[in-house]
Amino acid sequence: KAGVTQTPRYLIKTRGQQVTLSCSPISGHRSVSWYQQTPGQGLQFLFEYFSETQRNKGNFPGRFSGRQFSNSRSEMNVSTLELGDSALYLCASSFIQGGTGELFFGEGSRLTVL
Amino acid sequence: GQSLEQPSEVTAVEGAIVQINCTYQTSGFYGLSWYQQHDGGAPTFLSYNALDGLEETGRFSSFLSRSDSYGYLLLQELQMKDSASYFCAVREYYGQNFVFGPGTRLSVLP
Repeated sequence: KAGVTQTPRYLIKTRGQQVTLSCSPISGHRSVSWYQQTPGQGLQFLFEYFSETQRNKGNFPGRFSGRQFSNSRSEMNVSTLELGDSALYLCASSFIQGGTGELFFGEGSRLTVL
Repeated sequence: GQSLEQPSEVTAVEGAIVQINCTYQTSGFYGLSWYQQHDGGAPTFLSYNALDGLEETGRFSSFLSRSDSYGYLLLQELQMKDSASYFCAVREYYGQNFVFGPGTRLSVLP
C-alpha cells in the first residue's frame, strides 16, 4: 500500500509569490490534515479536510488555504509569501476524521522563502 | 485550547530504558498520541492512549493519567536507531484541532 505522497519535496520562492503544495493520501483515507513544522514553533496544525470540506482550521492567517478533491487528494496554497513561511509542510491522512489518533504523514514539502 | 510540555532533550545509552514525559493543560481531548521523527523524515505513529493506563507495543509503552494531566512514552532496550525526536499530541474536543508537543530529542549513545 503506497504511503502519503507530497509534492514537490523542495521548493524555493521569493517574498510575495504564492505556492501550491500537493498531498495524495493513502488509498481509502478520506481525512487529510496539514501541518507547518519549524525549529522554533514545532508542529502546528493548519487545517483538516474530510469529504472535500474543511472541518477545522488552526491559527494561521487567511493567506493559508487549502482544498480537497473528490479523490481525497488535497492541496494547500500560501499566497503573498513571507520569510517566516519558510518551513517543512507536512500532510497527514487518516481513514476517518478523528479516529484513534493515528495519522500517517508524508515526507513533507520543504519551502524556502528568500 | 491545549498546551503540551515535553523535555527538550534526553540522553541514554544502548540497552537502557528511557521515559519521555508529556504534561498538558487540558480543556478536553480524545486521547494522547506519540510520534517518532528521525532527522529529515516524516513523523511516524507509535502509540495512542484513549483511556487511562498503559499501552504496550513491543519495546515501546505509553501511559496516560487524565487526572494528573500527564502521560509518558517508555522506550526499553534502547537501540541506536531510536535516536530521534518524539512528539506527544492530542486532538481537542473543542475545535477538533490536533495539538503537538514541542518534541523531545532522544540521543542514544553506544
